[in-house]
Amino acid sequence: QVQLVQSGAEVKKPGASVKVSCKASGYTFTRYDLNWVRQATGQGFEWMGWMNPYSGTTGYAQKFQGRVTMTRNTSTSTVYMELSSLRSEDTAVYYCARMDTGTLDVWGQGTTVSVS
Amino acid sequence: DIQMTQSPSSLSASVGDTVTITCRASQSISRYLNWYQQNPGKAPKLLIYGASSLHSGVPSRFSGSGSGTDFTLTINSLQPEDFATYFCQQSSSTVCTFGQGTKLEIK
Repeated sequence: QVQLVQSGAEVKKPGASVKVSCKASGYTFTRYDLNWVRQATGQGFEWMGWMNPYSGTTGYAQKFQGRVTMTRNTSTSTVYMELSSLRSEDTAVYYCARMDTGTLDVWGQGTTVSVS
Repeated sequence: DIQMTQSPSSLSASVGDTVTITCRASQSISRYLNWYQQNPGKAPKLLIYGASSLHSGVPSRFSGSGSGTDFTLTINSLQPEDFATYFCQQSSSTVCTFGQGTKLEIK
């Protein structure tokens, strides 16, 4: 079945970087954009950006410009999101989600990133 | 960015009740509005896309309506598994934005 499986929880020090992976299966990896969204505890969702796995084109939310990098490995159907210069406010659950005509129709299970 | 305002932020209801959640956009988004359900500790699940289209596998007691700036999600005949948090999301602009969520609790 269609699924996105993310890497495990991370604990980082302020100023460090974190790289979260999102492995797609059950569909043609290059046909759909993948987005990254985060959710701090008890809060709403914050969109971080997107990647087109076919072309490698990315688009980032202005808030994260210069700190986030999204990459992919088409041979393993995996997208990566790296966030640098971490601060305590970056503590959140990070989700990858497949986008189909504006709709986030398949989500990964989430990766908890704690910065302390 | 387009701001999405959901109301209420929380809601208490009983099994069998009908509830309505609203989402208002800061500018017109046509019908580019989606609804998601999230249970504690879980990823969101898509319920409604394009303001009123039911996602595959979603029970018909869920329905959505609206266009422009005002949207509603209605759940008829609440079931125990419906007590969760609901979010709206606009896809009119390149930058996705979400409502703050409505937590639906059992009365």
